[in-house]
Amino acid sequence: QSVLTQPPSVSAAPGQKVTISCSGSSSNIVNNYVSWYQQLPGTAPKLLIYDNYKRPSGIPDRFSGSKSGTSATLGITGLQTGDEADYYCGTWDSSLRGVVFGGGTKLTVL
Amino acid sequence: EVQLVESGGGLVKPGGSLRLSCAASGFTFSDYSMTWVRQVPGKGLEWVSSISSSSSYMFYADSVKGRFTISRDNAKHSLYLQMNSLRAEDTAVYYCARDGGGYYDRFDYWGQGTLVTVSS
Repeated sequence: QSVLTQPPSVSAAPGQKVTISCSGSSSNIVNNYVSWYQQLPGTAPKLLIYDNYKRPSGIPDRFSGSKSGTSATLGITGLQTGDEADYYCGTWDSSLRGVVFGGGTKLTVL
Repeated sequence: EVQLVESGGGLVKPGGSLRLSCAASGFTFSDYSMTWVRQVPGKGLEWVSSISSSSSYMFYADSVKGRFTISRDNAKHSLYLQMNSLRAEDTAVYYCARDGGGYYDRFDYWGQGTLVTVSS
C-alpha cells in the first residue's frame, strides 16, 4: 500500500489529453514539492516534472504539473503512442522522514 | 554528460550480504545528495535510502532499516549500498539516482539499475 495514491491505469486516444492524480496528505504533498517520473518499458525512470510544475530541459510542454492541497496532478496533452508508460509521483514525507512514491499509473494510448 | 552506473547485483541466498556500487561521472558528485530506489519487476518504485552530499544525513525506509547501510566516497565519485540479512522480498532492480534539488524530492538522473535476486 503506497503512501501516495494514484489510479492504476488511464487511457485515451492519440491527440487527446489525460490527467493522472496523486493523492497524499499534509505530511507529504501539502508541505513538500512533488515530482513526476515516466518509466518506459524496460528502462529506468525519467524525471518529467519537479517542484510541482517545472519541467527539466528537454521535456516538451505537453507535460504539465499542478498541486492543490493534498493532491497533485500530471497532465499530458497531444497524446502520442510513445507516451505509453508507467507514471509515478513522488515527494518527501516529513513524518516518515523518507521519500514516498505513488503506486504508479499505466498510461495506454488507444 | 551525467552518468550513473550501478554494479554489484547478483544472486545471493537468504541471510546473505551484497554490496552495490554506483559510479558517478559528468557532474560534481560531492555537491549532490544521492538515493537508492528499488523496483520489483512488474511492480512500482520503492525508495530505499538517501544520503546527503557530505554524508551528514542518512535516511532509510523502514523495510531496510538496520539491515542496509548507505555510504559514499566523494573522492571516488561513488555511492554504495551494503545489504545484509537479505530476504526474498529484497529481490528487485536497484537504481541509484541523483537528487537534483537537495531536498530528496527531485531525482533528475538515474542509473540503468542492477538486479538483486535473493533465493536459495
